Amino acid sequence: DQQVKQNSPSLSVQEGRISILNCDYTNSMFDYFLWYKKYPAEGPTFLISISSIKDKNEDGRFTVFLNKSAKHLSLHIVPSQPGDSAVYFCAAGRDTGKLIFGQGTTLQVKP
Amino acid sequence: NAGVTQTPKFRVLKTGQSMTLLCAQDMNHEYMYWYRQDPGMGLRLIHYSVGEGTTAKGEVPDGYNVSRLKKQNFLLGLESAAPSQTSVYFCASSSPRSSTDTQYFGPGTRLTVL
Repeated sequence: DQQVKQNSPSLSVQEGRISILNCDYTNSMFDYFLWYKKYPAEGPTFLISISSIKDKNEDGRFTVFLNKSAKHLSLHIVPSQPGDSAVYFCAAGRDTGKLIFGQGTTLQVKP
Repeated sequence: NAGVTQTPKFRVLKTGQSMTLLCAQDMNHEYMYWYRQDPGMGLRLIHYSVGEGTTAKGEVPDGYNVSRLKKQNFLLGLESAAPSQTSVYFCASSSPRSSTDTQYFGPGTRLTVL
């Protein structure tokens, strides 16, 4: 049972445009959500997070939106840059400290 | 600060061999985790630890053992490696004092079991 799903394996956008990465979850008990970015041959690095009591969190070019009624979150990158090309994982957690990760979406930003 | 380090970076084993992966963190984090990453499956939690001397099973614990004898180290052992354990292994650490569980990851160990 996949509790966190990223249904788009890949996404390609033009430099300067918006990238929207999506994530769905099934467990309404999750307390917080995170996005990680991963380059090849490196470990994932934390990008941005959001608590379940909020519906939006912004950090520079990155904004995460949470729609609890739809059990859906999305990551917006504006404007997209070639250096943003990576695999993006969404993750969800509860107070236990364990995270459940989605399968990942490979973002390619074309110059 | 080195953050989270993992040794070795690469390893090739034959079926039935054993090995230990070492994870070290210098951030004084209480929690540590071992994940495996396989194509199309994201990161799956193998075992985790909420403090020195304590360990617990994650999502895919079979075939692995762990130990946390020191706060800064978390060891993952494979007693009898199988080809199904070919994967990239990531260690992570976090602090329970953070409002969201921001986990910090090591660079990974690529393991191939022949």
